[in-house]
Amino acid sequence: DIQMTQFPSTLSASVGDRVTITCRASQSIGSWLAWYQQKPGKAPKLLIYEASNLESDIPSRFSGSGSETELTLTISSLQPDDFATYYCQQYNGYPTFGQGTKLEMK
Amino acid sequence: QVQLVESGGGVVQPGRSLRLSCVTSGFTYSNYGMHWVRQAPGKGLEWVAVIWFDGSNKYYADSVKGRFTISRDNSKNTLYLQMNSLRAEDTALYYCAREKTPKTPTHYFDYWGQGTLVTVSS
Repeated sequence: DIQMTQFPSTLSASVGDRVTITCRASQSIGSWLAWYQQKPGKAPKLLIYEASNLESDIPSRFSGSGSETELTLTISSLQPDDFATYYCQQYNGYPTFGQGTKLEMK
Repeated sequence: QVQLVESGGGVVQPGRSLRLSCVTSGFTYSNYGMHWVRQAPGKGLEWVAVIWFDGSNKYYADSVKGRFTISRDNSKNTLYLQMNSLRAEDTALYYCAREKTPKTPTHYFDYWGQGTLVTVSS
């Protein structure tokens, strides 16, 4: 199984900040990575797929980059609605998720 | 609009069985691979199982292999998860999720249900 290590586990930031979340894969996954946002009591929401493709209706302040074993999600200018938990998920093999990053207000 | 609605969760004793359902609408169900993903209380996401759009292939996480069975009824637009020999560690919110790409097994998810809670406890 491909293991995904996501960090940091918690990130404190302010509105307007630029933040980056990283996922490291235990083996190469190419660009087969998705990012999700989850808010309390809600289902996850797809943000990015194939490492860098923005899902429809997702604001352009979200972007993804990287490939192989190190991939990142960047939010260029945090908005109040962005405070949530973020998960990466590889799909080079059967899906596995990172442990999640809780983005909280500083 | 696309909707996925899970049901069938509840409180069950260890060793017993439960069947979850996910009724879908708003898209051509028979064209999409479907998955179950679970989330233990306060924890992260764990993939459980996948079934191909035509039902031809099914795969499971090691943690549920041999105990859980995924199936689908394309005439009823419904996905199922039969869970046998339940354990305390199966306690979670179970989501059904749709693959984004029709007729192509790309295992990431653009639509999710609201989840159904399974609690395994004596």
